[in-house]
Amino acid sequence: GESVGLHLPTLSVQEGDNSIINCAYSNSASDYFIWYKQESGKGPQFIIDIRSNMDKRQGQRVTVLLNKTVKHLSLQIAATQPGDSAVYFCADVATVNAGNMLTFGGGTRLMVKP
Amino acid sequence: DSGVTQTPKHLITATGQRVTLRCSPRSGDLSVYWYQQSLDQGLQFLIQYYNGEERAKGNILERFSAQQFPDLHSELNLSSLELGDSALYFCASSPGGEKLFFGSGTQLSVL
Repeated sequence: GESVGLHLPTLSVQEGDNSIINCAYSNSASDYFIWYKQESGKGPQFIIDIRSNMDKRQGQRVTVLLNKTVKHLSLQIAATQPGDSAVYFCADVATVNAGNMLTFGGGTRLMVKP
Repeated sequence: DSGVTQTPKHLITATGQRVTLRCSPRSGDLSVYWYQQSLDQGLQFLIQYYNGEERAKGNILERFSAQQFPDLHSELNLSSLELGDSALYFCASSPGGEKLFFGSGTQLSVL
């Protein structure tokens, strides 16, 4: 079946460095992708999204890149801070019977060292 | 605070029992989604409702059922509970598009 997966389960970075979290997807019909951040004990929180007609989108300290050719998605966090420590999920959105079904990847844990 | 409210926050029960998890979506959101999060399986989509009607179904067991009421709140019913049902259950809401807002979850422990 279709799936969304992550390359790295854990990423450890030094405070102030840039972080890159990767995600691969397999559903060629996917046209919308979202990155979520989940802190311990909390629900996933929306970070940034991108549609398939774009290859880059920037937010505050975060950038999402989409490479449709290789079905790859990445989240870049600039000047990583201790507060960025969390699990990051990518999600693929598919339309199923007029409903939107998000399929999440397994998640990457980002650990920021002070 | 996402605006999505889930109760209870924690639930401890025994195998074979039945529980009900409750979710109040953000004001104005018509869509409600339920997800299960286990340590080894990440976030698994269970079911989606839109304005009271079931819209999409994921990997939801037959022992599980859900509904969305006229006031748009939703309940997830889990019956004949097994040890493997222990997980975090998240509700999310959306105004109808793709962006979901998640609640803080219900931690279910089946002993």
